[in-house]
Amino acid sequence: EVQLLESGGGLVQRGGSLRLSCAASGFTFNSYGMNWVRQAPGKGLEWVSRMSGRGDRTDYADSVKGRLTVSRDTSKNTLYLQMSSLRGEDTAVYYCAKEGEDGYFDSWGQGTLVTVSS
Amino acid sequence: QLVLTQSPSASASLGTSVKLTCTLSSGHYNYAIAWHQQQPEKGPRYLMKLTSDGTHSKGDGIPDRFSGSSSGTERYLTISSLQSEDEADYYCQTWGTGTRVFGGGTKLTVL
Repeated sequence: EVQLLESGGGLVQRGGSLRLSCAASGFTFNSYGMNWVRQAPGKGLEWVSRMSGRGDRTDYADSVKGRLTVSRDTSKNTLYLQMSSLRGEDTAVYYCAKEGEDGYFDSWGQGTLVTVSS
Repeated sequence: QLVLTQSPSASASLGTSVKLTCTLSSGHYNYAIAWHQQQPEKGPRYLMKLTSDGTHSKGDGIPDRFSGSSSGTERYLTISSLQSEDEADYYCQTWGTGTRVFGGGTKLTVL
């Protein structure tokens, strides 16, 4: 059974930094693309970033380019999202999502809340 | 530009059927999508992948009441025999080189 467990969320000041983690189990971690998706309070889902299964490609939404960085540790089956220069509009629940054979998301984590305060 | 459009809301009565629509941007008629359900105060849940020819493959444990179909740039999610727990937000999602895209979501109310 695929399990994705996010952690690392919390309250951070504007301009600050935070690192989120997504611990994965139940599948071959380096065979599937992994994504971060966020949901601001009362809003819809917004794709943030992804890393390819081979780890040779990363992609970002325009809204986070240059401020958020995705990485992974295959020895720990863990995906990370390093967040810096945080803004109020980054306040959201951040979900980790696994891709299927192509680009659709077939498994989700439970999410971790990031709150950016002024 | 790859864009998905959904109606913000829909409603249907308990025990009936409802058909939700996700529209791909012009020129993207051959794109597959995925449907996801998000019940109140919960994380999203994968329902199914839906191709341009209407072939759909559902996630584990998704009831037969959920089905998908396609026509041109439109992708549909049909829920039959509506139950109270089907009241949720439904998102379509697609993908392209270097990007993943969500529709704005449809809030389904079960009357």
